[in-house]
Amino acid sequence: EPEVTQTPSHQVTQMGQEVILRCVPISNHLYFYWYRQILGQKVEFLVSFYNNEISEKSEIFDDQFSVERPDGSNFTLKIRSTKLEDSAMYFCASNPSTGANNSPLHFGNGTRLTVT
Amino acid sequence: AQTVTQSQPEMSVQEAETVTLSCTYDTSESDYYLFWYKQPPSRQMILVIRQEAYKQQNATENRFSVNFQKAAKSFSLKISDSQLGDAAMYFCAYRSAWNNNDMRFGAGTRLTVKP
Repeated sequence: EPEVTQTPSHQVTQMGQEVILRCVPISNHLYFYWYRQILGQKVEFLVSFYNNEISEKSEIFDDQFSVERPDGSNFTLKIRSTKLEDSAMYFCASNPSTGANNSPLHFGNGTRLTVT
Repeated sequence: AQTVTQSQPEMSVQEAETVTLSCTYDTSESDYYLFWYKQPPSRQMILVIRQEAYKQQNATENRFSVNFQKAAKSFSLKISDSQLGDAAMYFCAYRSAWNNNDMRFGAGTRLTVKP
């Protein structure tokens, strides 16, 4: 069964540095998402992406964050200048096309980001 | 805005017994979808079961079933014949039928299975 893959599985960075988290969604999916889970807390929506543009973003997704689909397969989340509070598990997810809201989001295994 | 509430931060069950995890949600929409996801220590998010709001029949997947009460906005998960591998965080999630953009999650319930 096709999977969403995320790399790296664990990223350690210093405060103020830029990080790029990478995701390869399932190939025939059209909707892409990033979620964040701070340790011990709920999974929070960051951003959704469709047709090469952001379709919705949460209040967490401020100017420090950006997403990109640089080619036909990768979907990246960039944090420009990391803060300690950005330490979390970041999940990428994808979903088939419209009319499939009953289909679950397919999640990757996550990237654990540690900001020191 | 839709909110999802899981009022049980932790639950415990004896192996082979049955446990029910609670979830309530708040929405003004009539058409939506509900999901339960399992997150084991590996941190993967694994779909357990889904329910369409327009369906009256409760969804069932092997040992997992739901009690969907639309009027009460309640969506509980029942795990029968609990196994050690069921130990995980369980998240309830809501998704609008009209907005494909995001899925809202509850805070999660940590389930412990005692041998």
